[in-house]
Amino acid sequence: QQQVKQSPQSLIVQKGGISIINCAYENTAFDYFPWYQQFPGKGPALLIAIRPDVSEKKEGRFTISFNKSAKQFSLHIMDSQPGDSATYFCAATYSGTYKYIFGTGTRLKVLA
Amino acid sequence: NAGVMQNPRHLVRRRGQEARLRCSPVKGHSHVYWYRQLPEEGLKFMVYLQKENIIDESGMPKERFSAEFPKEGPSILRIQQVVRGDSAAYFCASSPIRDGETQYFGPGTRLLVL
Repeated sequence: QQQVKQSPQSLIVQKGGISIINCAYENTAFDYFPWYQQFPGKGPALLIAIRPDVSEKKEGRFTISFNKSAKQFSLHIMDSQPGDSATYFCAATYSGTYKYIFGTGTRLKVLA
Repeated sequence: NAGVMQNPRHLVRRRGQEARLRCSPVKGHSHVYWYRQLPEEGLKFMVYLQKENIIDESGMPKERFSAEFPKEGPSILRIQQVVRGDSAAYFCASSPIRDGETQYFGPGTRLLVL
């Protein structure tokens, strides 16, 4: 019940295309869902995050869509660029705790 | 405005040696978290510390691993008698408050056990 399932494991997208990464969770107590971006040899950096009281959050080319009833959330990268090539992790946590539960990661490659 | 700093960035140890990983949180942050990332896997929570206190070490192996966050100085993750299975990237994160929404991650220490 503490798992966060992430798919796909890897993704190849043409420059200018839309990258979509999906995550699913089971614990309905989760109330904070961040996405992290990690470049090789670097630590994860917060990209965007959402709470369940909204169904969508957009920051620049990055959008989180949240479906509370389905217990799913996804990251959409619009107009994907080669510089977006990285590993993306979804995570979940809930108020009153500090443990992030991470998905297994999606390795995104954007072709020039 | 320095972020989370970790050193060393890379550490090579032979089986049976000790590994000491250091983490300096963002200035002003008093909450430190350690995570381990095995190859091709996500990050797994290990331990949560405040200054001079271990709050939750439920993700840490019972033997050979220990962590501290002294009143002065960096947080230390110590692995005694390392084995090949300890080879991983170890990330430290910090936050300003306990239930901080955002944990800020350091660049990690990549431990290789020969």
